[in-house]
Amino acid sequence: GQNIDQPTEMTATEGAIVQINCTYQTSGFNGLFWYQQHAGEAPTFLSYNVLDGLEEKGRFSSFLSRSKGYSYLLLKELQMKDSASYLCASIDSNYQLIWGAGTKLIIKP
Amino acid sequence: DAEITQSPRHKITETGRQVTLACHQTWNHNNMFWYRQDLGHGLRLIHYSYGVQDTNKGEVSDGYSVSRSNTEDLPLTLESAASSQTSVYFCASSEGSGDTDTQYFGPGTRLTVL
Repeated sequence: GQNIDQPTEMTATEGAIVQINCTYQTSGFNGLFWYQQHAGEAPTFLSYNVLDGLEEKGRFSSFLSRSKGYSYLLLKELQMKDSASYLCASIDSNYQLIWGAGTKLIIKP
Repeated sequence: DAEITQSPRHKITETGRQVTLACHQTWNHNNMFWYRQDLGHGLRLIHYSYGVQDTNKGEVSDGYSVSRSNTEDLPLTLESAASSQTSVYFCASSEGSGDTDTQYFGPGTRLTVL
């Protein structure tokens, strides 16, 4: 079957660094997305990885290891506005997105 | 600015009624998608369309239908609403220029079926 695993909830401190992990098992693999979703709002695109390695975009970075079926999202210099859910989605062999349930990130002052 | 809108934003209906949720995008995107989001689950694909007159079933299509008569709109119809269809519904669109297009989401519709 197809499965995406992410932690349900994480807590971090303002100004710190946090890493949100995602493991995937999908029939085929054509890339992985990370989205941010604030409570009551729509998901918004953060990053896309298809090759192994780290992609950096300002305070946010995303890493992919295809051989391990593993990705992480790294958030640096955390701000209160980063409190949100972070959704991992893998693209399967039919080019459909398979979504994880999301990780709720709580930032404390 | 181009955008994707959904209406209504909130809807309460009764079991057995037909309900239609609207989705309209001005991105001129070929691809459009309908998802539902429930606590403890990831987004689950209901139906999708890769262009006018094209519709396809997703993972959880039972009880739902869509039609695509133009590029901008993909309405989602619940033929006979059930309490199990209480959920938040998101419409999304993508350009359709490649198989790994980024999807852009509408603001969502919160549907309650009593």
